[in-house]
Amino acid sequence: GAVVSQHPSRVICKSGTSVKIECRSLDFQATTMFWYRQFPKKSLMLMATSNEGSKATYEQGVEKDKFLINHASLTLSTLTVTSAHPEDSSFYICSAWTSGRKSTDTQYFGPGTRLTVL
Amino acid sequence: QKEVEQNSGPLSVPEGAIASLNCTYSDRGSQSFFWYRQYSGKSPELIMFIYSNGDKEDGRFTAQLNKASQYVSLLIRDSQPSDSATYLCAVRPSGGYQKVTFGIGTKLQVIP
Repeated sequence: GAVVSQHPSRVICKSGTSVKIECRSLDFQATTMFWYRQFPKKSLMLMATSNEGSKATYEQGVEKDKFLINHASLTLSTLTVTSAHPEDSSFYICSAWTSGRKSTDTQYFGPGTRLTVL
Repeated sequence: QKEVEQNSGPLSVPEGAIASLNCTYSDRGSQSFFWYRQYSGKSPELIMFIYSNGDKEDGRFTAQLNKASQYVSLLIRDSQPSDSATYLCAVRPSGGYQKVTFGIGTKLQVIP
């Protein structure tokens, strides 16, 4: 199946620093990628939709200035958590659709990035 | 608001039994339906997707879709301890829109 990679897989940082997470589609192009956050024992929460060549679309309650998204190419989207605080500690997961135009398309997830802010 | 409902479980089944996971959705115009398996601390892994009424089989897994009842299920035959995980149901709306709605997930425990 299609592969989506994320880097880094785990990051520990001090409060107030910024952390960048990369999401890549390895064998297909993705004009749209999605960023999710998942807290322990909770379901996935969609944070934003990353659009290649245009601004990201954020879900209600997600701070645009705190979670910066850049979708610079058809295979790469980045999420930057700015001025991270302990409450930002979570599991961040990106996803991409294989095509997005057919009912048979599927969504694949990256392996996730576990962020711990001290 | 579009909703996807799942029983959070845990659903416990003995090894070798059939595990039946259920999901209902509120948006009648939904286009396609996905089952993901998520192990603790890992990201979701696609198990199956279905978009036509009826059954779709892949190995030990069978997805069943009934659009009239707005119901989708996942059957796991010959359940193994390695199947113990949380199973997420995801529903995609019509119109080619890519933003799916996830259920809370059902935790499955296969008892050896």
